[in-house]
Amino acid sequence: NAGVTQTPKFQVLKTGQSMTLQCAQDMNHNSMYWYRQDPGMGLRLIYYSASEGTTDKGEVPNGYNVSRLNKREFSLRLESAAPSQTSVYFCASRQFEYGYTFGSGTRLTVV
Amino acid sequence: AQSVTQLGSHVSVSEGALVLLRCNYSSSVPPYLFWYVQYPNQGLQLLLKYTSAATLVKGINGFEAEFKKSETSFHLTKPSAHMSDAAEYFCAVSLPGGTSYGKLTFGQGTILTVHP
Repeated sequence: NAGVTQTPKFQVLKTGQSMTLQCAQDMNHNSMYWYRQDPGMGLRLIYYSASEGTTDKGEVPNGYNVSRLNKREFSLRLESAAPSQTSVYFCASRQFEYGYTFGSGTRLTVV
Repeated sequence: AQSVTQLGSHVSVSEGALVLLRCNYSSSVPPYLFWYVQYPNQGLQLLLKYTSAATLVKGINGFEAEFKKSETSFHLTKPSAHMSDAAEYFCAVSLPGGTSYGKLTFGQGTILTVHP
C-alpha cells in the first residue's frame, strides 16, 4: 500500500549510542517532516525538508541530524543518544498544501 | 508563525453524551486546521480538516468541527459518544502558501475517556 514507511518500529539504545531512523514515502511527495511525540506536549517538529536537496530545522532540532537522500527517503540520525530523546518519532510527507500522510511511528527508548 | 492551544488535557464523558474538544489557534493569515485522533500505541489518523471552504467540516466517525474566525477556534464535536471514541485527539494548524513550508503545528493533545 502507498504511504510512509518507518523503520524500525521499536528501538532501545544505551546513552551515547548512535542510530538512524529511516523514513520512505512512495507517493512522490515533495515535502517531508520529522516529529517527536512526548506526553502532554503533542507533536513537535524536529526537522523538515521542503523539497529534495533541502533540509531545515524545526522547533526541537538539538541532538539530531537529517538527510534527504532522495525524493523518497528522509532519515533522522541521533549521533549520541540521550535519555531526553526517549520518545515516539513520526515521519510525515505532504501532498499539495494540506494533504499529510504520517508513518506509524518509531518508539525509541534511551537507557 | 502559528500556534495551537487545546483547552483541557483530559475530557471525560458518558457514553451517549455530547463530546466537545476545544481548540484555539493563532495565525498571521487564514490557516488550514486539522483534527487527528490517536488510539493507544498507534499512529495518527486524520478526522477532518478545514481548508477555507465550508466553515462547518464533517469528518469520519460522526465528528465535526466549526471554524470560527472571530473566536479563532476550531472545536471538535460529536453528538453522542461511543466507547470506541476513547483516544487522544490533536488539533493542528498549518499556513497556506510557501512561506511556512507546510509545517504542521500541533496542540498538546486531549485524552478523551468515555464511561459506560
